[in-house]
Amino acid sequence: GENVEQHPSTLSVQEGDSAVIKCTYSDSASNYFPWYKQELGKRPQLIIDIRSNVGEKKDQRIAVTLNKTAKHFSLHITETQPEDSAVYFCAASNMDTGRRALTFGSGTRLQVQP
Amino acid sequence: DVKVTQSSRYLVKRTGEKVFLECVQDMDHENMFWYRQDPGLGLRLIYFSYDVKMKEKGDIPEGYSVSREKKERFSLILESASTNQTSMYLCASSSTGAATNEKLFFGSGTQLSVL
Repeated sequence: GENVEQHPSTLSVQEGDSAVIKCTYSDSASNYFPWYKQELGKRPQLIIDIRSNVGEKKDQRIAVTLNKTAKHFSLHITETQPEDSAVYFCAASNMDTGRRALTFGSGTRLQVQP
Repeated sequence: DVKVTQSSRYLVKRTGEKVFLECVQDMDHENMFWYRQDPGLGLRLIYFSYDVKMKEKGDIPEGYSVSREKKERFSLILESASTNQTSMYLCASSSTGAATNEKLFFGSGTQLSVL
């Protein structure tokens, strides 16, 4: 089955700096890569996703890039703000098969220092 | 707004007890999932269901079973609770379709402690 590895496990940046979180996946058939954000004590929420037919997607201060050949994808947050502090999870799945359930990475705790 | 409701926020059970975790969604979603969340391990899939009375094993199904008798309700059952099942359990639902990309909507979680 799919295996998703995520790095780093913790990341501390100064407000205004950029943050990058990286994930690798094992199943070359995976074609959907979402990112979820979980604030302290709250439920995970989707913040951005990308399909394998696209190399990059941007939504205001966040962007995701995908390298299918290397089987890795990354989350980029620019101009970080204290409210970006949370745990971020990457995930992967193959939406074209019977098992479309997401396999998640282990999470990255991002702390933005004011 | 989609609402996924888990019956208990905190639960304390004893080893060997049978435990039921209930999840209800109100958006007529076809797909429902149970994950457990442990520090450093992320979200691990226990079981999922794409239709009523249908269930599929996830990555860590051992010691668990599920029931989906109605579309809106997906129950997770711990037949004989053990201490290594102490964890945060998250239920999620999604709708199938290219437009939604099967975005997961999570419940607020049940923190289960098995003593």
